[in-house]
Amino acid sequence: GAGVSQSPSNKVTEKGKDVELRCDPISGHTALYWYRQSLGQGLEFLIYFQGNSAPDKSGLPSDRFSAERTGGSVSTLTIQRTQQEDSAVYLCASSLMANVLTFGAGSRLTVL
Amino acid sequence: DQQVKQNSPSLSVQEGRISILNCDYTNSMFDYFLWYKKYPAEGPTFLISISSIKDKNEDGRFTVFLNKSAKHLSLHIVPSQPGDSAVYFCAASAQGQGAQKLVFGQGTRLTINP
Repeated sequence: GAGVSQSPSNKVTEKGKDVELRCDPISGHTALYWYRQSLGQGLEFLIYFQGNSAPDKSGLPSDRFSAERTGGSVSTLTIQRTQQEDSAVYLCASSLMANVLTFGAGSRLTVL
Repeated sequence: DQQVKQNSPSLSVQEGRISILNCDYTNSMFDYFLWYKKYPAEGPTFLISISSIKDKNEDGRFTVFLNKSAKHLSLHIVPSQPGDSAVYFCAASAQGQGAQKLVFGQGTRLTINP
């Protein structure tokens, strides 16, 4: 596609429920990143996929968070048993050239 | 451990004047630096970058300066325009170490006043 597409754009859920956030990267981009931005905070790195290499999961805040990337394209970020502190905008980015990331518009998650 | 810091959460500048946004970092392994701009309800967009082998990179109204000894970089926008009003994030990576992830600062909200 023309850009990085994320869905849903907004998600409101109850504490304890599981959520899935989807990212469609730019076609041909080999690298895919997940970041999140909590209110008033910067962008916090979560996970990075590069080709067929093992993902860099060093930024995932707890074992309730997981992500996969199927077929080297679409990625899903899953948050199990959501907590209020998980409320944030979750941003996906893809890149072809190292460091120049193209971001999607983000998925705003609100946990009540 | 905030490796990239933007100590000014906000900055207000008059249209036509120079905007200077600052960023400090602590990790001496960082060798590539970028600035991203973010409008509300949109993802950040790449603005300008600089490699540690340079101390200045210019692109139109935007110039990034890097002071490696001080571990400091700045973004200059001149002349500032109302459309420049946005949140600006600086980011860094340790490319030479094979690290591909970007570490972002907290952002500075720039407001350009007519």
